[in-house]
Amino acid sequence: KAGVTQTPRYLIKTRGQQVTLSCSPISGHRSVSWYQQTPGQGLQFLFEYFSETQRNKGNFPGRFSGRQFSNSRSEMNVSTLELGDSALYLCASSLSGRGGGETQYFGPGTRLLVL
Amino acid sequence: GQSLEQPSEVTAVEGAIVQINCTYQTSGFYGLSWYQQHDGGAPTFLSYNALDGLEETGRFSSFLSRSDSYGYLLLQELQMKDSASYFCALSGYNQGGKLIFGQGTELSVKP
Repeated sequence: KAGVTQTPRYLIKTRGQQVTLSCSPISGHRSVSWYQQTPGQGLQFLFEYFSETQRNKGNFPGRFSGRQFSNSRSEMNVSTLELGDSALYLCASSLSGRGGGETQYFGPGTRLLVL
Repeated sequence: GQSLEQPSEVTAVEGAIVQINCTYQTSGFYGLSWYQQHDGGAPTFLSYNALDGLEETGRFSSFLSRSDSYGYLLLQELQMKDSASYFCALSGYNQGGKLIFGQGTELSVKP
């Protein structure tokens, strides 16, 4: 089975622009979660989608949004980029998103640099 | 809220045993997971504890004590390739796939 894929892998944007990142989960997985990773804040939960519905949301401003399609692929969008948005954005998929011991499989991430 | 604390760095020699601790504050949770991440790559799942006690998976073991709000990851027969960052993470009640991560511990394995 193919793993979680994320595109693009690297991205450079300037302040004020917007960006869309894509995540394709493992085939059959219905839950997709997004995380932001920075040296200062570590891995922080952004949101989770299950069956095209946002199920959980972290403490990020409304500039961060996402969606999930019927094939479970997910996108996240960041509008009006700020320098502090520079980070590694990781998505993770799991079969049902029931939590507990269900393994989350992470993609390689998209490294975003905002200039 | 929920928070987890881990040491920022640990150093050990090849062949040795190392323990990475994780203390947490939470009002309730399903369990504690451990993930490994090499150099900003994809975190990979290592181990999970739902109940108190030790879970063993090859060279890696994980322990949980809910009464002490404490867990640890034990790595045995350390190899150079174990040099990586290790994260503990809580999965909460009715939180779906959401994980709350600790800040991570960078393990350096020396020859």
